[in-house]
Amino acid sequence: QLQLQESGPGLVKPSETLSLTCTVSGGSISSSSYYWGWIRQPPGKGLEWIGSIYYSGSTYYNPSLKSRVTISVDTSKNQFSLKLSSVTAADTAVYYCARHSLYASKVDWFDPWGQGTLVTVSS
Amino acid sequence: SSELTQDPAVSVALGQTVRITCQGDSLRSYYASWYQQKPGQAPVLVIYGKNNRPSGIPDRFSGSSSGNTASLTITGAQAEDEADYYCNSRDSSGNRVVFGGGTKLTVL
Repeated sequence: QLQLQESGPGLVKPSETLSLTCTVSGGSISSSSYYWGWIRQPPGKGLEWIGSIYYSGSTYYNPSLKSRVTISVDTSKNQFSLKLSSVTAADTAVYYCARHSLYASKVDWFDPWGQGTLVTVSS
Repeated sequence: SSELTQDPAVSVALGQTVRITCQGDSLRSYYASWYQQKPGQAPVLVIYGKNNRPSGIPDRFSGSSSGNTASLTITGAQAEDEADYYCNSRDSSGNRVVFGGGTKLTVL
């Protein structure tokens, strides 16, 4: 079955760039039916969508993070990646990747999710 | 603040029925999806769209929508249903995916 796995540094210094990769196994990231998304969850808080990418490279981002976010895709490696620049302590969170489905522009859903990776922003 | 509003906490007696709600103006135009999250685990999709259950989700979970409110109903709640539940949909502009603040369900 489809599985997603996040990887990357668990500690990032303030003002630097957070970089994470999501590796997809058990299916192709090049499927025309899906986007691939990043969602984060600060400790003890709720979920926040960061952005999503189509296998062609088309992206859309959360407007509140857009100026700092870049999501890219590498179909040859079946991976997609997140870069978040100029991080502060407020960016400390568990970062999840997930397959993002849309239907008829009326409904979005994320399934399955990776296990998540905690990224702490601290000097 | 989220454009989707959920009650922070709800409780239900074992075996009884509970409804968890998600309110927002965008829900007049978009369907909600629902996720279950247990401590230390990633969210799991339980309902998407009008009322669709992914494979492996028990049929005691169902979804509905009316006006600006989407609901997740658990009919005959089990101890293992104790978790945080999140709804997601779009914001009013349709350009942003949003999540509700989450509801902590306690099964008594």
